[in-house]
Amino acid sequence: AQSVTQLGSHVSVSEGALVLLRCNYSSSVPPYLFWYVQYPNQGLQLLLKYTTGATLVKGINGFEAEFKKSETSFHLTKPSAHMSDAAEYFCAVSNTGRRALTFGSGTRLQVQP
Amino acid sequence: DTGVSQNPRHKITKRGQNVTFRCDPISEHNRLYWYRQTLGQGPEFLTYFQNEAQLEKSRLLSDRFSAERPKGSFSTLEIQRTEQGDSAMYLCASTIGTGGAGYTEAFFGQGTRLTVV
Repeated sequence: AQSVTQLGSHVSVSEGALVLLRCNYSSSVPPYLFWYVQYPNQGLQLLLKYTTGATLVKGINGFEAEFKKSETSFHLTKPSAHMSDAAEYFCAVSNTGRRALTFGSGTRLQVQP
Repeated sequence: DTGVSQNPRHKITKRGQNVTFRCDPISEHNRLYWYRQTLGQGPEFLTYFQNEAQLEKSRLLSDRFSAERPKGSFSTLEIQRTEQGDSAMYLCASTIGTGGAGYTEAFFGQGTRLTVV
């Protein structure tokens, strides 16, 4: 069984400040890990993914995440927040089998001017 | 190809009515997934198809729900005798299932928002 825990349902940062969204996962097999972004009344867009190889992965819009197996974490960061980053962010886990995604409950990011 | 398309985008129905949603995946994608997302929660897996075969159904998919993917192209999700608890966003995603250890990205549609009154 797999599960994802996102710490903090709401995160507020100032424009230009560091963004840190936390994600911990549980998986009995080597995981594939993802971050998705969702804007209001829209579907999900993939920000970045970890499958194998380098544990620091870079995604779109300046986001990156680091897979830490010992901590079972995959936290999302961005050095400098922009107003357009305000959205809901979901961490998800999958595996090599059916590839269905198990999502966390999401973190709503607010960016203050 | 413009991506995964879902219709309708919004549906309001009275409790007890049947509703059907459609998903058109990216044309070369052989895997198609349905998810349900309630307010303030992440999407939850409902079912998936590889080509026309329905390979897995979540326990969330009660007997009032049925999904089909005839000819391995578009898919429909039908909910019979809708209940207020069925109100949610229903998301469809598609990808290429290689069967191996490689991964290809799942692309999501914009979803169908169902409101049961």
